[in-house]
Amino acid sequence: QVQLQESGPGLVKPSGSLSLTCVVSGGSITSNNWWSWVRQSPRKGLEWIGEIYHSGRTNYNPSLISRVTVSADKSMNQFSLKMTSVTAADTAEYYCARRGCTGGTCNRFDSWGQGTRVTVSS
Amino acid sequence: EIVLTQSPGTLSLSPGDRAALSCRASQGVSSTYLAWYQQKPGQAPRLLIYGASTRATGIPDRFSGRGSGTDFTLTISGLEPEDFAVYYCQQYDTSPFTFGRGTKLEIK
Repeated sequence: QVQLQESGPGLVKPSGSLSLTCVVSGGSITSNNWWSWVRQSPRKGLEWIGEIYHSGRTNYNPSLISRVTVSADKSMNQFSLKMTSVTAADTAEYYCARRGCTGGTCNRFDSWGQGTRVTVSS
Repeated sequence: EIVLTQSPGTLSLSPGDRAALSCRASQGVSSTYLAWYQQKPGQAPRLLIYGASTRATGIPDRFSGRGSGTDFTLTISGLEPEDFAVYYCQQYDTSPFTFGRGTKLEIK
């Protein structure tokens, strides 16, 4: 059973950058799945940020595309999120998740990390 | 983007009751790309239903989903104490993938 684990700083200064990593175990990120980031805050609820496929193809939420990059390291079986120019509005619980695919239909977040709390504050 | 409106915001029921949770989309969503999640305090969301009606692995058959177009429903038949949580619908039909704001199912 695949497991995901997020890691990264819990506190980021305003205007700085947020960097998180998700280590995947029990499965390969080169499998037929997308690897995503989702965040949750009281203000916006659950919000999909972006995702990557092992080919390098990415999809991003248009509201965040100018500030977000999702990348993958196949050798380490992990993927990462970088968000720039953060503000207090980016304070949230950040989850990594697998968007599972059956053939060409990728229609569920079937595995989630436990989440990591990120606070943007000086 | 597609807005998903969940109702009611809070549902107060007793163990053994039947719960019906609604999710309405601002535009049509293919049933293939509609999912439901359960979230308990301090935990990540857990996949319950995908493709509008397919139960995820290990999900009891008291959970069922149905719907098409803009109207979808999650039904929980015979509530168990562990079912009291927040439930979210999500669509993958059109980017950006969006979630509803959730229905909190609480013990009456």
